[in-house]
Amino acid sequence: QKEVEQNSGPLSVPEGAIASLNCTYSDRGSQSFFWYRQYSGKSPELIMSIYSNGDKEDGRFTAQLNKASQYVSLLIRDSQPSDSATYLCAVPYNTDKLIFGTGTRLQVFP
Amino acid sequence: DVKVTQSSRYLVKRTGEKVFLECVQDMDHENMFWYRQDPGLGLRLIYFSYDVKMKEKGDIPEGYSVSREKKERFSLILESASTNQTSMYLCASHLAGELYEQYFGPGTRLTVT
Repeated sequence: QKEVEQNSGPLSVPEGAIASLNCTYSDRGSQSFFWYRQYSGKSPELIMSIYSNGDKEDGRFTAQLNKASQYVSLLIRDSQPSDSATYLCAVPYNTDKLIFGTGTRLQVFP
Repeated sequence: DVKVTQSSRYLVKRTGEKVFLECVQDMDHENMFWYRQDPGLGLRLIYFSYDVKMKEKGDIPEGYSVSREKKERFSLILESASTNQTSMYLCASHLAGELYEQYFGPGTRLTVT
């Protein structure tokens, strides 16, 4: 059974700080990784995807992938209260399906 | 603007009732999915469909069935609702081969009493 593990949190950071969200996965053959953001009472929305080792930056968001350690992370720089949400890590399996982690709840306080 | 819609945001049903949850997408996506989301358990796949009239079981299909008679519509059916099916139900879709572009509907919060 393929697994995606995340710390459920909550992760509390002050406004302006860097929030670091982590995810580990069990399938060494995984090639692509996704981060979804889910606000309370809303549905998930894709915010980042990463396919190769290293860093991928998009605005205040940076995804980091280390395939050897089976570890993917999401950094949010200059965190804002509007970033408060649950962040879901997702990994594909069987070509057209995703397996999701349980999510990490992030709280950014002013 | 891409859109996945679900028939109800909130639904309350009684134990033993037959429940229909409907999902419609307007993006001509081949692949459609039904998930349920529960605290501490995350998103779990119930059923998915690659094409009209095609369906495959996900990780937790027991107690559910699905129907896909038209490409844009994917229905989830609870044949005889039970209290342990109280949950948030999320529909999603994407183009075949473009898994990175999976779009979710707004969700249906179902309560079975």
